[in-house]
Amino acid sequence: DSGVTQTPKHLITATGQRVTLRCSPRSGDLSVYWYQQSLDQGLQFLIQYYNGEERAKGNILERFSAQQFPDLHSELNLSSLELGDSALYFCASSVGGGFRQYFGPGTRLTVT
Amino acid sequence: KNEVEQSPQNLTAQEGEFITINCSYSVGISALHWLQQHPGGGIVSLFMLSSGKKKHGRLIATINIQEKHSSLHITASHPRDSAVYICAVGNTDKLIFGTGTRLQVFP
Repeated sequence: DSGVTQTPKHLITATGQRVTLRCSPRSGDLSVYWYQQSLDQGLQFLIQYYNGEERAKGNILERFSAQQFPDLHSELNLSSLELGDSALYFCASSVGGGFRQYFGPGTRLTVT
Repeated sequence: KNEVEQSPQNLTAQEGEFITINCSYSVGISALHWLQQHPGGGIVSLFMLSSGKKKHGRLIATINIQEKHSSLHITASHPRDSAVYICAVGNTDKLIFGTGTRLQVFP
C-alpha cells in the first residue's frame, strides 16, 4: 500500500459526459502528479501540482483540467469524453519535485 | 525514434535465473526511475537514480549518464517477479516513459 488513494476504482460513462477523478496523496507529500495509461500510448505524464500550484504540464488535453485543494487532495476533471479517453488514470505523490513518486492504485475509465 | 527505449520488450525466464532489462534514453535527464507494474495494474516505484548504482534486495539498478543507459538486474528471479518493468526519465518533473518490458518467470 503506497498510501496514495484514488477514487473511484472503476468508472464507466458515455461519450460526451464529464467525470471527476479524485486523488489523496500520502501524508506529508506536497506534490501530486497525474498520468494516463492507454493501450496505444502507454504511460503519459499529464500534469503536476505542488502545494496547490500547477508546477508542470505534459500532454494534457484542453478538455481535461486538474486542481489541488488546500488539503492537498487533487481532482482531475475530464469533459466531453471520447472513446479514446478510455484508459487507466494514475495519481502519484511525492514530498516535492525531484523526489521518488508513490503511485495510487489507479482509476480505470471506460467510455462507451 | 522514442526518447526512451527499453529492451527486450518481452522476457521469459526460469526461476533462479539472472535477468537484465535495459533502458536507453536520448534526452538530458536529472533522474531515471524504474517502475514495476503488476498484472492487476498497480505501479510501484523501484528505484530513482541519477548516478551510479542502487541495490534493494534482489534488485540492482545502474545508470551510466555519459552513455545515457541504465540497466535493471534481478538476481535469483522468482515467479512473483513476473510483471511489466518500466523505465522513465525526467529532467524536471515531467517523466517520459519507456514502453515497458514484460517479464514472466516460470517455476
